[in-house]
Amino acid sequence: RKEVEQDPGPFNVPEGATVAFNCTYSNSASQSFFWYRQDCRKEPKLLMSVYSSGNEDGRFTAQLNRASQYISLLIRDSKLSDSATYLCVVNRKYDYKLSFGAGTTVTVRA
Amino acid sequence: NAGVTQTPKFQVLKTGQSMTLQCAQDMNHNSMYWYRQDPGMGLRLIYYSASEGTTDKGEVPNGYNVSRLNKREFSLRLESAAPSQTSVYFCASSEARGTVSSNYGYTFGSGTRLTVV
Repeated sequence: RKEVEQDPGPFNVPEGATVAFNCTYSNSASQSFFWYRQDCRKEPKLLMSVYSSGNEDGRFTAQLNRASQYISLLIRDSKLSDSATYLCVVNRKYDYKLSFGAGTTVTVRA
Repeated sequence: NAGVTQTPKFQVLKTGQSMTLQCAQDMNHNSMYWYRQDPGMGLRLIYYSASEGTTDKGEVPNGYNVSRLNKREFSLRLESAAPSQTSVYFCASSEARGTVSSNYGYTFGSGTRLTVV
């Protein structure tokens, strides 16, 4: 079983819509959680960290459910520029290494 | 601009050839990493260096070697390239140090697209 699993999508949504997707992680010792964004043929870039109480960054909301071992990302009022692949990332306590999901592709259409 | 610099950006090798991918960061980060990314597979860790002078294997180290030349530089070497090593290679760095739980994200280089024919 992969350590981090994501629905690959694609999620095709119109501008202004809300889109949400999850990822699950297998290791209950995971401690740090992130969402990265990767544009086509570019490097991944940190979108936001995910905190236990949930957190927002503008139109983006991240939630963590430790009991069920999943993380979610919600994008409100989608923009064309939100089209990208979103990578779910976790790491374990005292571990230097991040584990990456394969990504969820979001396409926002005009 | 501060960040992680990878060279080359593109490379085509013949089976059996060798090459070194270079990576340098100017953020004074302690930890550096090499990943490969293949379609549908996500990023897979090849090797990492928790601090200057140390290197460790990741998930897919076979066929690769690394050198942490100093705090700034971390190179990846393919001794005898194989078609299975065709991939996009990313170097990354982070502030993670010692046994402190890593809540730091990574900064990635722009990648090297390698094709082995």
